[in-house]
Amino acid sequence: DAGVIQSPRHEVTEMGQEVTLRCKPISGHDYLFWYRQTMMRGLELLIYFNNNVPIDDSGMPEDRFSAKMPNASFSTLKIQPSEPRDSAVYFCASRIAGDGEQFFGPGTRLTVL
Amino acid sequence: EDQVTQSPEALRLQEGESSSLNCSYTVSGLRGLFWYRQDPGKGPEFLFTLYSAGEEKEKERLKATLTKKESFLHITAPKPEDSATYLCAVHHDYKLSFGAGTTVTVRA
Repeated sequence: DAGVIQSPRHEVTEMGQEVTLRCKPISGHDYLFWYRQTMMRGLELLIYFNNNVPIDDSGMPEDRFSAKMPNASFSTLKIQPSEPRDSAVYFCASRIAGDGEQFFGPGTRLTVL
Repeated sequence: EDQVTQSPEALRLQEGESSSLNCSYTVSGLRGLFWYRQDPGKGPEFLFTLYSAGEEKEKERLKATLTKKESFLHITAPKPEDSATYLCAVHHDYKLSFGAGTTVTVRA
């Protein structure tokens, strides 16, 4: 398996623009997680899905952020409108049911000018 | 409030100089403690899961241990390729809460 796939790897945009980050989880994994990593706040959970259904979005910073999982092999994280403070590395992770480890993608480095 | 604290923030070692990293946690309903390694520009890479106090796991030069309130990651005779940020995370309520990490630099 290729592991968790994220695209794009780097995104540079201007304040106010819409940004869409994409994730393909490992086939057969039931859970999908979106994280944000910054120097100041470390690795923070934004939202997670179980069987394509959003379970906990309490980490989503504000209404400008939204996430969808239309099927078991694809998820998006959208920021609209983007702001400079959204600059961070965004990771997607997936795991099977149970208490096992999460497998992380390579991340998307977002820079909002 | 649930909390995960790692210390030290940074650790500089000579090759072969063994040391330990600490992860202390205050969380109810712990379902596992995870250690990850993160290299610059990459996503966290899974190392170990510990589920109960007294449990130990080993992989090459790394050994992880768990008590009721903390976990240690021991690095024995480290090599430069062990340089990375080591993250611990507690699994509770079906989520992982991560510590800030310890950045380890091993000089040849």
